[in-house]
Amino acid sequence: QKEVEQNSGPLSVPEGAIASLNCTYSDRGSQSFFWYRQYSGKSPELIMFIYSNGDKEDGRFTAQLNKASQYVSLLIRDSQPSDSATYLCAVKGSGNTGKLIFGQGTTLQVKP
Amino acid sequence: GAGVSQSPSNKVTEKGKDVELRCDPISGHTALYWYRQSLGQGLEFLIYFQGNSAPDKSGLPSDRFSAERTGGSVSTLTIQRTQQEDSAVYLCASSFDPGTNEKLFFGSGTQLSVL
Repeated sequence: QKEVEQNSGPLSVPEGAIASLNCTYSDRGSQSFFWYRQYSGKSPELIMFIYSNGDKEDGRFTAQLNKASQYVSLLIRDSQPSDSATYLCAVKGSGNTGKLIFGQGTTLQVKP
Repeated sequence: GAGVSQSPSNKVTEKGKDVELRCDPISGHTALYWYRQSLGQGLEFLIYFQGNSAPDKSGLPSDRFSAERTGGSVSTLTIQRTQQEDSAVYLCASSFDPGTNEKLFFGSGTQLSVL
């Protein structure tokens, strides 16, 4: 079992729709969760982080965390073609090493 | 500098040669990470530095891979006797303090091609 798992996609949504990206993790003691966006040929950039169970909203983005289910998700409202990218889920493990483990990423395509 | 700087941006080498990849993190960032990304894949953790020490080097694929960091700043990732499967983009990232501010800033990466 991979430490952080994501569906590789592609996930295709029409412009204006809600895109839902999901991630599961294996380390039950994990405390910090991140979503990075990576455009083709570019480096990842942080778009959201969440530490507590529940929802965290930032503009069109909402991160959701359920530690009991070991599940974290990212919702993108009013999706735009410029949101088309690969979204990487990252989890900081329970050890005290600072190690951040990434999933393989989900490719999102927003069609005009 | 303003961001994480990596050099070279591209490296083509022959199988069996040694290569050195350099990362210059954002000034003041105490944590430094190396990741590897193969085409169409996610980020594979290689090693993490806090200051000059490496609390976690569990991701290094083999003893051909080594890394060091000096002066709490620049880091070098060395791959000895390169193999074709080493071909990938090697990404370096830094963060201010992994305990309190965990946002990673990534460099542009080094595209390594082993022929």
